[in-house]
Amino acid sequence: GAGVSQSPSNKVTEKGKDVELRCDPISGHTALYWYRQSLGQGLEFLIYFQGNSAPDKSGLPSDRFSAERTGGSVSTLTIQRTQQEDSAVYLCASSFGPGGRPEAFFGQGTRLTVV
Amino acid sequence: KQEVTQIPAALSVPEGENLVLNCSFTDSAIYNLQWFRQDPGKGLTSLLLIQSSQREQTSGRLNASLDKSSGRSTLYIAASQPGDSATYLCAVGTGANNLFFGTGTRLTVIP
Repeated sequence: GAGVSQSPSNKVTEKGKDVELRCDPISGHTALYWYRQSLGQGLEFLIYFQGNSAPDKSGLPSDRFSAERTGGSVSTLTIQRTQQEDSAVYLCASSFGPGGRPEAFFGQGTRLTVV
Repeated sequence: KQEVTQIPAALSVPEGENLVLNCSFTDSAIYNLQWFRQDPGKGLTSLLLIQSSQREQTSGRLNASLDKSSGRSTLYIAASQPGDSATYLCAVGTGANNLFFGTGTRLTVIP
């Protein structure tokens, strides 16, 4: 696609429910990142995918968080048993990855509110 | 661990003024540095990317410089306009799997 697409743009969920956030990267980009931005905070790295390699999950804050990337394209970030502290904007980015131009392009984000 | 600092946290300037935003990082072993703008409630828009071998990049009224040895980058905005009002973020690419972000400078350009 022309840009990184994220859905939904907004999500309100009850505490304890599971949520899935979707990211559709730019066509041809092999690298995909997930970040979290809490109110008034900087961007917090969550997870990185590069091609078919094992993802770097070092930023995931707890085992309630997981992510998949199917077919090297679309990625889904899943948060199980959501807590109020999970409320944040979740941003996805993609780039060409190693060997290509490293410029990262971001989606518009998903604003998650846990009530 | 790489730490990125942006000063000032907020800046207000009158329209037409030239301004400089600062970014510093603790580990000079970087692959690239990228400047973004973020409008309220929106995602990040890439402005400029400087590779580690480069000293500066220019795009329109924007000029970004990089001094790896001192761990600093600046974003210069010429002839500021109200539409430049946004939060500006710098991010350092380490060549691994991560971009390290500063907390941003919130710029307000007063008409």
